[in-house]
Amino acid sequence: DTEVTQTPKHLVMGMTNKKSLKCEQHMGHRAMYWYKQKAKKPPELMFVYSYEKLSINESVPSRFSPECPNSSLLNLHLHALQPEDSALYLCASSQERVGYEQYFGPGTRLTVT
Amino acid sequence: QQQVKQSPQSLIVQKGGISIINCAYENTAFDYFPWYQQFPGKGPALLIAIRPDVSEKKEGRFTISFNKSAKQFSLHIMDSQPGDSATYFCAARVTGSARQLTFGSGTQLTVLP
Repeated sequence: DTEVTQTPKHLVMGMTNKKSLKCEQHMGHRAMYWYKQKAKKPPELMFVYSYEKLSINESVPSRFSPECPNSSLLNLHLHALQPEDSALYLCASSQERVGYEQYFGPGTRLTVT
Repeated sequence: QQQVKQSPQSLIVQKGGISIINCAYENTAFDYFPWYQQFPGKGPALLIAIRPDVSEKKEGRFTISFNKSAKQFSLHIMDSQPGDSATYFCAARVTGSARQLTFGSGTQLTVLP
């Protein structure tokens, strides 16, 4: 099973709202990632968690707050977003030490109004 | 030096034809080269990947050709089908880089029936 699940599929939020994106994998992967993807562009790395610890933060604004409650779950907390934050948010996971394959979830389409 | 240059930006192929997408890189520390396929509204799916110790890898109708001396690699889709119409991203990873992928800019493939 190479499935990464993400909820919700679509999210519309106002600039003053607080919402969360969720990601889950049951492949035993110990590295999990958040990416942001704009239309017709490649995914841009936002955060990397390794063994539930934040290992990479690609200078992402503080209005995005990641959380890794356990080895299977990854959250992205959103608050005070801007319209330009509208994008497809992708979660991915990979084995930490063996192999290089990153498996992506279907994404959450976020619209900020 | 971390860039991966991908071409063409878009490609139109007749059903049954061969689709060829090319990528080039400068960083000789890259040691893993995956290709991802992405359908509209979906997350990227790992299609096929290669390491620089081999010159070619084939999986079904998909083949990666790798030229280490030229620092180029390409994806060939044989007998292209309308269902192959998607955006294709090449990517590369540096050993020990905390699992970060550098993506190409993407190629939008359209296979005409």
